[in-house]
Amino acid sequence: KAGVTQTPRYLIKTRGQQVTLSCSPISGHRSVSWYQQTPGQGLQFLFEYFSETQRNKGNFPGRFSGRQFSNSRSEMNVSTLELGDSALYLCASSIQGGYTEAFFGQGTRLTVV
Amino acid sequence: QKEVEQDPGPLSVPEGAIVSLNCTYSNSAFQYFMWYRQYSRKGPELLMYTYSSGNKEDGRFTAQVDKSSKYISLFIRDSQPSDSATYLCAMSAMGNQFYFGTGTSLTVIP
Repeated sequence: KAGVTQTPRYLIKTRGQQVTLSCSPISGHRSVSWYQQTPGQGLQFLFEYFSETQRNKGNFPGRFSGRQFSNSRSEMNVSTLELGDSALYLCASSIQGGYTEAFFGQGTRLTVV
Repeated sequence: QKEVEQDPGPLSVPEGAIVSLNCTYSNSAFQYFMWYRQYSRKGPELLMYTYSSGNKEDGRFTAQVDKSSKYISLFIRDSQPSDSATYLCAMSAMGNQFYFGTGTSLTVIP
């Protein structure tokens, strides 16, 4: 059974640019959640998508946005990148979200210079 | 107050020891509890998933949930150097987001 696939694995961007990250969930999973992980803050919840609708949202500025497609694949976009956006971005897929097991991808490591 | 509190460690134990990892939480609505293991520069790997109170065992791992105390634990028996990683607890209520602890760094010394 294929796991959660995140692309790309590594990215280097310049301040002010924008970036799009992709997440392909496990087949049959309809919920995709995104997290930012930094050494000081741990895992910070960005948002969750379920059946193409944003169902939950964390406390991140509007520069962080996402979407989900009809095949449950999800993308996350960060506009006007700042140095502080450098982090490991993780997505997790689950069948239904909140009460079902969540499986993570390997993450995209974003470095903003 | 954070939703989930987890001692960051670091925790260092000799090979073969029993390891106890713990989290406390404040939201009594949490019903679903998970433990993840994360190796350096990798995504978290789901170890255990439990619902409500009680114990669940899987090989060398035992997860305990005490909802009355809002306290969950993960025990690792016969710890191995390969268990050296960061352990994250996570929890949620029905239909809501997962809330994570900050992780406990564990080193098992051969």
